[in-house]
Amino acid sequence: DGGITQSPKYLFRKEGQNVTLSCEQNLNHDAMYWYRQDPGQGLRLIYYSQIVNDFQKGDIAEGYSVSREKKESFPLTVTSAQKNPTAFYLCASSIAQETQYFGPGTRLLVL
Amino acid sequence: AQSVTQLDSHVSVSEGTPVLLRCNYSSSYSPSLFWYVQHPNKGLQLLLKYTSAATLVKGINGFEAEFKKSETSFHLTKPSAHMSDAAEYFCVVTLYSSASKIIFGSGTRLSIRP
Repeated sequence: DGGITQSPKYLFRKEGQNVTLSCEQNLNHDAMYWYRQDPGQGLRLIYYSQIVNDFQKGDIAEGYSVSREKKESFPLTVTSAQKNPTAFYLCASSIAQETQYFGPGTRLLVL
Repeated sequence: AQSVTQLDSHVSVSEGTPVLLRCNYSSSYSPSLFWYVQHPNKGLQLLLKYTSAATLVKGINGFEAEFKKSETSFHLTKPSAHMSDAAEYFCVVTLYSSASKIIFGSGTRLSIRP
């Protein structure tokens, strides 16, 4: 089956801890994205990557980091610098800026 | 500047009645327009998209949307609501020049009354 997978489904973070959210796609898409969704709000772009070994900051990149070492993988690290990390995180991929395909999401909670 | 406005944060309709979810956009360029649906605690699923072909776009699950350039609107409609349509709906504008120009509306929550 082709698609995007995100893991874990739920993630708990302790104060001062870095955590990494996984995003994998087997759609052979060049572009990948990370979004943050807060209750009752739309999606806000954290980071995006249009090609392997290249990525750009979105609107709310502070406190987050990414890597794009492989075409199919785009992990997001929520660092201790992100003071309000509780949210639903969505990963997406696309061919160029065409239709985006979304993963099922990871809900991050702070202990 | 590009922006997307979903005019209603919450819409409630009775099962079997028509659905109208409103979306207005502003863009200096010819945009691509999308509607996505999100069920609780799930990712977003594409309903339909407009990319400068026919102005009336048909999507999945009986939804359709009409691109009206003169009104800068891309409203989503369905003739008869089903209980399974209850979800959050997002209108999205995207440009081909840069991924940073993908703009999401704030969403409309659709409730269906039995």
